[in-house]
Amino acid sequence: GAGVSQSPSNKVTEKGKDVELRCDPISGHTALYWYRQRLGQGLEFLIYFQGNSAPDKSGLPSDRFSAERTGESVSTLTIQRTQQEDSAVYLCASSPGTSGVSTGELFFGEGSRLTVL
Amino acid sequence: DAKTTQPPSMDCAEGRAANLPCNHSTISGNEYVYWYRQIHSQGPQYIIHGLKNNETNEMASLIITEDRKSSTLILPHATLRDTAVYYCIVRVAGRGGADGLTFGKGTHLIIQP
Repeated sequence: GAGVSQSPSNKVTEKGKDVELRCDPISGHTALYWYRQRLGQGLEFLIYFQGNSAPDKSGLPSDRFSAERTGESVSTLTIQRTQQEDSAVYLCASSPGTSGVSTGELFFGEGSRLTVL
Repeated sequence: DAKTTQPPSMDCAEGRAANLPCNHSTISGNEYVYWYRQIHSQGPQYIIHGLKNNETNEMASLIITEDRKSSTLILPHATLRDTAVYYCIVRVAGRGGADGLTFGKGTHLIIQP
């Protein structure tokens, strides 16, 4: 596809359930980012993948959150035992890079809207 | 990290140039200035970035002062579709979390018909 694809676009779940959110980056982009945006709030960084380097997990809010990326392809963000405070839009972005450094030009997907009842 | 200061909101008449200011008085020599925007209910969109020279692309122009302590994003002929939150970010690749790409509160630009 031409852009970053995220699925599902909308997810409603019950408190305590686990959810998986998927991101398909633009082909060839070495960097991949996850952000969270609560209603009416700014973007909150979660995790950053760059090539085969260890991911920067410094933004993950708790150990209920984890993310994986297969090589320079698909990424999955997993939230275990969801809480109502996890309700937000989860945004994925990818970016090209050279020599293992992102250009900083992020291409965002449309996001996955998570609602925890 | 250098932080940025932007006005929380601005209005501009349709068809006029929209000039969005950003202060980054503590910027260091290797930090780039990036601009993104987020239209309601969409993911953010990259606009432009620069180091010290002025930059122009099909979307906008970026004017950086000689001392690099502030910059202005210019949308030359604003349309209603330019209504969005505009984020000014200063960045060094690999710096801290988010690879240096930390989004603040931005400026909510409202284009008036």
